[in-house]
Amino acid sequence: SQQGEEDPQALSIQEGENATMNCSYKTSINNLQWYRQNSGRGLVHLILIRSNEREKHSGRLRVTLDTSKKSSSLLITASRAADTASYFCATNAGNMLTFGGGTRLMVKP
Amino acid sequence: DTAVSQTPKYLVTQMGNDKSIKCEQNLGHDTMYWYKQDSKKFLKIMFSYNNKELIINETVPNRFSPKSPDKAHLNLHINSLELGDSAVYFCASSQDVSTDTQYFGPGTRLTVL
Repeated sequence: SQQGEEDPQALSIQEGENATMNCSYKTSINNLQWYRQNSGRGLVHLILIRSNEREKHSGRLRVTLDTSKKSSSLLITASRAADTASYFCATNAGNMLTFGGGTRLMVKP
Repeated sequence: DTAVSQTPKYLVTQMGNDKSIKCEQNLGHDTMYWYKQDSKKFLKIMFSYNNKELIINETVPNRFSPKSPDKAHLNLHINSLELGDSAVYFCASSQDVSTDTQYFGPGTRLTVL
């Protein structure tokens, strides 16, 4: 079974709106990472948050981590059409990453 | 100046054939991976090599055999291809086994007819 599960599976918003994606996982982790995948492309690393961190920012991205609830969220502010992609969370619980099924985000111009 | 490259990008073949996918990284990383992404976009680790040594083998059929001639290359050979092998296969690398950040190749879309 997947360690990380994203919610929602699909999200459609207008340009300029904020997009929030959630990830839940099952076991203790060392860190949690978010990746982006454009259609037909490989995954690109966006941001990493360690188990002792609660929030992290990178440009228009904000990631939170709640280890007590085993959940994380990715917020993309002021979305752009170019943000249209699938977003995956990945948990690191040892020497490998385990990916969730992804959230497909569509940002309409 | 591609960081992680894979060839071929597309592979269409008949059931029962044997095929190989090649991966190279020019990042100087010690660790490389193969992932399989199915039609529902779930991404699953298949293998991981650290400095040419196998460290992860996630219950993959033995028809799949990875080979790492040096730490910059990790190839995937698949024998007796089956319909269920159709997927996108991604190679990735990381600095070391701590897997803080992984860098992915563009993927190889394998279609078995």
